Amino acid sequence: DAGITQSPRHKVTETGTPVTLRCHQTENHRYMYWYRQDPGHGLRLIHYSYGVKDTDKGEVSDGYSVSRSKTEDFLLTLESATSSQTSVYFCAISVSGGANEQFFGPGTRLTVL
Amino acid sequence: EDQVTQSPEALRLQEGESSSLNCSYTVSGLRGLFWYRQDPGKGPEFLFTLYSAGEEKEKERLKATLTKKESFLHITAPKPEDSATYLCAVRFTDRGSTLGRLYFGRGTQLTVWP
Repeated sequence: DAGITQSPRHKVTETGTPVTLRCHQTENHRYMYWYRQDPGHGLRLIHYSYGVKDTDKGEVSDGYSVSRSKTEDFLLTLESATSSQTSVYFCAISVSGGANEQFFGPGTRLTVL
Repeated sequence: EDQVTQSPEALRLQEGESSSLNCSYTVSGLRGLFWYRQDPGKGPEFLFTLYSAGEEKEKERLKATLTKKESFLHITAPKPEDSATYLCAVRFTDRGSTLGRLYFGRGTQLTVWP
Protein backbone atom coordinates (compact mmCIF):
# COMPACT_ATOMS: atom_id res chain seq x y z
CA ASP A 1 0.00 0.00 0.00
CA ALA A 2 1.14 3.55 -0.74
CA GLY A 3 0.29 4.87 2.73
CA ILE A 4 -3.14 6.14 1.74
CA THR A 5 -6.28 5.67 3.78
CA GLN A 6 -9.80 6.75 2.97
CA SER A 7 -12.69 7.19 5.33
CA PRO A 8 -15.38 6.15 5.52
CA ARG A 9 -15.01 3.05 3.37
CA HIS A 10 -18.76 2.74 2.91
CA LYS A 11 -21.53 5.26 3.32
CA VAL A 12 -25.24 5.36 2.60
CA THR A 13 -26.92 8.73 2.72
CA GLU A 14 -30.04 10.45 1.52
CA THR A 15 -30.51 12.94 -1.27
CA GLY A 16 -29.88 16.51 -0.16
CA THR A 17 -27.59 15.73 2.77
CA PRO A 18 -23.99 16.93 2.93
CA VAL A 19 -21.25 14.32 2.78
CA THR A 20 -17.52 14.62 3.40
CA LEU A 21 -14.99 12.00 2.38
CA ARG A 22 -11.48 12.04 3.76
CA CYS A 23 -8.20 11.00 2.23
CA HIS A 24 -5.13 10.73 4.43
CA GLN A 25 -1.57 10.04 3.25
CA THR A 26 1.62 9.32 5.15
CA GLU A 27 3.96 9.82 2.17
CA ASN A 28 4.17 13.61 2.32
CA HIS A 29 3.46 13.80 -1.42
CA ARG A 30 2.56 17.19 -2.80
CA TYR A 31 -0.14 16.13 -5.26
CA MET A 32 -3.45 14.58 -4.26
CA TYR A 33 -6.42 13.69 -6.45
CA TRP A 34 -10.06 12.66 -6.14
CA TYR A 35 -11.57 10.35 -8.78
CA ARG A 36 -14.88 8.64 -9.18
CA GLN A 37 -15.35 5.27 -10.83
CA ASP A 38 -18.63 4.23 -12.43
CA PRO A 39 -19.60 1.26 -14.61
CA GLY A 40 -19.09 2.06 -18.29
CA HIS A 41 -16.65 4.87 -17.53
CA GLY A 42 -13.00 5.04 -16.83
CA LEU A 43 -11.81 6.71 -13.68
CA ARG A 44 -12.72 10.40 -13.90
CA LEU A 45 -10.96 13.23 -12.11
CA ILE A 46 -13.10 15.37 -9.81
CA HIS A 47 -10.58 17.72 -8.20
CA TYR A 48 -6.91 17.73 -7.45
CA SER A 49 -4.51 19.58 -5.15
CA TYR A 50 -0.93 20.64 -5.79
CA GLY A 51 -0.22 21.87 -2.29
CA VAL A 52 -1.78 23.07 0.95
CA LYS A 53 -4.72 25.32 0.08
CA ASP A 54 -3.97 24.90 -3.66
CA THR A 55 -6.69 23.06 -5.53
CA ASP A 56 -8.15 22.94 -9.02
CA LYS A 57 -11.06 21.35 -10.86
CA GLY A 58 -11.07 18.17 -12.86
CA GLU A 59 -13.44 17.03 -15.59
CA VAL A 60 -16.45 16.20 -13.35
CA SER A 61 -16.24 18.81 -10.58
CA ASP A 62 -19.85 20.06 -10.56
CA GLY A 63 -21.49 19.39 -7.19
CA TYR A 64 -18.20 18.77 -5.42
CA SER A 65 -15.81 20.91 -3.41
CA VAL A 66 -12.46 20.10 -1.84
CA SER A 67 -10.18 21.42 0.85
CA ARG A 68 -6.61 20.78 1.85
CA SER A 69 -5.47 22.45 5.07
CA LYS A 70 -2.63 20.01 5.74
CA THR A 71 -0.27 18.15 3.42
CA GLU A 72 -1.55 14.80 4.58
CA ASP A 73 -5.31 15.38 4.29
CA PHE A 74 -7.53 16.04 1.28
CA LEU A 75 -11.27 16.32 1.84
CA LEU A 76 -14.00 15.90 -0.75
CA THR A 77 -17.40 17.42 0.07
CA LEU A 78 -20.72 16.85 -1.60
CA GLU A 79 -22.67 19.89 -0.43
CA SER A 80 -26.05 18.36 -1.25
CA ALA A 81 -25.77 14.77 -2.36
CA THR A 82 -27.74 13.56 -5.40
CA SER A 83 -28.39 10.04 -6.67
CA SER A 84 -26.06 10.71 -9.62
CA GLN A 85 -23.21 10.95 -7.13
CA THR A 86 -23.63 7.33 -6.14
CA SER A 87 -20.23 5.96 -7.04
CA VAL A 88 -16.93 4.61 -5.78
CA TYR A 89 -14.54 7.41 -4.91
CA PHE A 90 -10.78 7.00 -5.02
CA CYS A 91 -8.08 9.22 -3.70
CA ALA A 92 -4.66 9.19 -5.35
CA ILE A 93 -1.29 10.76 -4.64
CA SER A 94 1.80 11.48 -6.71
CA VAL A 95 5.25 12.83 -6.06
CA SER A 96 4.86 15.51 -8.70
CA GLY A 97 2.33 16.68 -11.23
CA GLY A 98 4.48 15.58 -14.11
CA ALA A 99 4.46 12.19 -15.76
CA ASN A 100 4.97 10.34 -12.50
CA GLU A 101 2.64 7.55 -11.62
CA GLN A 102 -0.24 8.05 -9.21
CA PHE A 103 -0.91 5.71 -6.30
CA PHE A 104 -4.45 5.01 -5.24
CA GLY A 105 -6.23 4.51 -1.96
CA PRO A 106 -8.69 1.69 -1.21
CA GLY A 107 -11.80 3.67 -2.18
CA THR A 108 -15.07 4.78 -0.59
CA ARG A 109 -18.33 3.32 -1.80
CA LEU A 110 -21.04 6.00 -1.54
CA THR A 111 -24.71 5.32 -2.08
CA VAL A 112 -27.15 8.22 -2.26
CA LEU A 113 -30.76 7.15 -1.86
CA GLU B 1 -15.34 10.39 -27.66
CA ASP B 2 -12.98 8.30 -25.58
CA GLN B 3 -9.36 9.32 -25.84
CA VAL B 4 -8.15 6.03 -24.39
CA THR B 5 -9.69 2.77 -25.59
CA GLN B 6 -9.00 -0.65 -24.14
CA SER B 7 -9.78 -3.96 -25.80
CA PRO B 8 -11.15 -6.45 -25.32
CA GLU B 9 -13.61 -5.44 -22.59
CA ALA B 10 -13.40 -8.92 -21.13
CA LEU B 11 -11.06 -11.84 -21.70
CA ARG B 12 -11.24 -15.39 -20.42
CA LEU B 13 -8.11 -17.49 -20.56
CA GLN B 14 -7.25 -20.96 -19.44
CA GLU B 15 -4.32 -21.17 -17.08
CA GLY B 16 -1.13 -21.14 -19.16
CA GLU B 17 -2.80 -19.62 -22.24
CA SER B 18 -0.83 -16.49 -23.12
CA SER B 19 -2.55 -13.43 -24.58
CA SER B 20 -2.37 -9.65 -24.90
CA LEU B 21 -4.49 -6.70 -23.84
CA ASN B 22 -4.59 -3.55 -25.92
CA CYS B 23 -4.68 0.14 -25.02
CA SER B 24 -4.94 2.66 -27.84
CA TYR B 25 -5.07 6.46 -27.65
CA THR B 26 -6.06 9.15 -30.10
CA VAL B 27 -4.36 12.32 -28.88
CA SER B 28 -0.79 13.27 -29.74
CA GLY B 29 1.84 14.47 -27.31
CA LEU B 30 2.13 11.44 -25.04
CA ARG B 31 3.83 12.17 -21.74
CA GLY B 32 3.40 8.78 -20.17
CA LEU B 33 1.28 5.64 -20.38
CA PHE B 34 0.44 3.77 -17.20
CA TRP B 35 -0.86 0.28 -16.53
CA TYR B 36 -2.74 -0.58 -13.36
CA ARG B 37 -4.29 -3.73 -11.96
CA GLN B 38 -7.54 -3.50 -10.02
CA ASP B 39 -9.00 -6.29 -7.92
CA PRO B 40 -12.71 -6.21 -6.97
CA GLY B 41 -13.42 -3.81 -4.13
CA LYS B 42 -9.91 -2.36 -4.16
CA GLY B 43 -8.08 0.62 -5.56
CA PRO B 44 -5.95 0.42 -8.71
CA GLU B 45 -2.48 -0.95 -8.14
CA PHE B 46 0.33 0.57 -10.18
CA LEU B 47 2.15 -1.81 -12.55
CA PHE B 48 4.16 0.05 -15.21
CA THR B 49 4.97 3.41 -16.75
CA LEU B 50 6.04 3.72 -20.40
CA TYR B 51 7.26 6.98 -21.88
CA SER B 52 8.37 6.44 -25.46
CA ALA B 53 7.71 4.18 -28.43
CA GLY B 54 9.78 1.02 -28.30
CA GLU B 55 9.98 0.96 -24.53
CA GLU B 56 9.21 -2.28 -22.69
CA LYS B 57 8.75 -3.12 -19.01
CA GLU B 58 8.39 -6.54 -17.38
CA LYS B 59 7.15 -7.83 -14.08
CA GLU B 60 6.72 -11.54 -13.45
CA ARG B 61 4.31 -12.81 -16.13
CA LEU B 62 3.45 -9.33 -17.40
CA LYS B 63 5.21 -7.37 -20.11
CA ALA B 64 4.11 -3.95 -21.31
CA THR B 65 5.13 -2.50 -24.66
CA LEU B 66 4.50 0.85 -26.31
CA THR B 67 4.18 1.98 -29.93
CA LYS B 68 3.26 5.40 -31.25
CA LYS B 69 -0.48 4.93 -30.84
CA GLU B 70 -1.00 1.94 -28.59
CA SER B 71 0.32 -0.22 -25.81
CA PHE B 72 0.06 -3.92 -25.21
CA LEU B 73 0.07 -5.78 -21.94
CA HIS B 74 1.28 -9.29 -22.67
CA ILE B 75 0.44 -11.99 -20.16
CA THR B 76 2.59 -15.09 -20.43
CA ALA B 77 1.36 -18.37 -18.99
CA PRO B 78 -1.24 -16.69 -16.76
CA LYS B 79 -2.38 -18.09 -13.45
CA PRO B 80 -5.78 -17.72 -11.75
CA GLU B 81 -4.29 -15.10 -9.43
CA ASP B 82 -3.74 -12.86 -12.47
CA SER B 83 -7.51 -12.47 -12.72
CA ALA B 84 -8.32 -8.79 -12.30
CA THR B 85 -9.31 -5.71 -14.26
CA TYR B 86 -6.37 -4.10 -16.02
CA LEU B 87 -6.56 -0.35 -16.51
CA CYS B 88 -4.61 1.82 -18.90
CA ALA B 89 -4.13 5.55 -18.36
CA VAL B 90 -2.45 8.14 -20.51
CA ARG B 91 -1.10 11.59 -19.84
CA PHE B 92 -0.86 13.96 -22.79
CA THR B 93 0.93 17.25 -23.31
CA ASP B 94 -1.08 19.82 -21.40
CA ARG B 95 -3.03 22.47 -23.25
CA GLY B 96 -4.04 24.40 -20.16
CA SER B 97 -5.45 21.23 -18.64
CA THR B 98 -4.84 19.75 -15.25
CA LEU B 99 -1.21 19.10 -14.54
CA GLY B 100 -0.68 15.42 -13.89
CA ARG B 101 -4.14 14.53 -15.11
CA LEU B 102 -4.55 10.99 -16.34
CA TYR B 103 -7.12 9.85 -18.89
CA PHE B 104 -8.24 6.33 -18.07
CA GLY B 105 -9.61 3.64 -20.31
CA ARG B 106 -12.56 1.54 -19.17
CA GLY B 107 -10.40 -1.49 -18.48
CA THR B 108 -10.16 -5.11 -19.54
CA GLN B 109 -11.60 -7.67 -17.16
CA LEU B 110 -9.35 -10.71 -17.24
CA THR B 111 -10.46 -14.07 -15.90
CA VAL B 112 -8.00 -16.96 -15.79
CA TRP B 113 -9.54 -20.33 -15.02
CA PRO B 114 -7.65 -23.43 -13.88
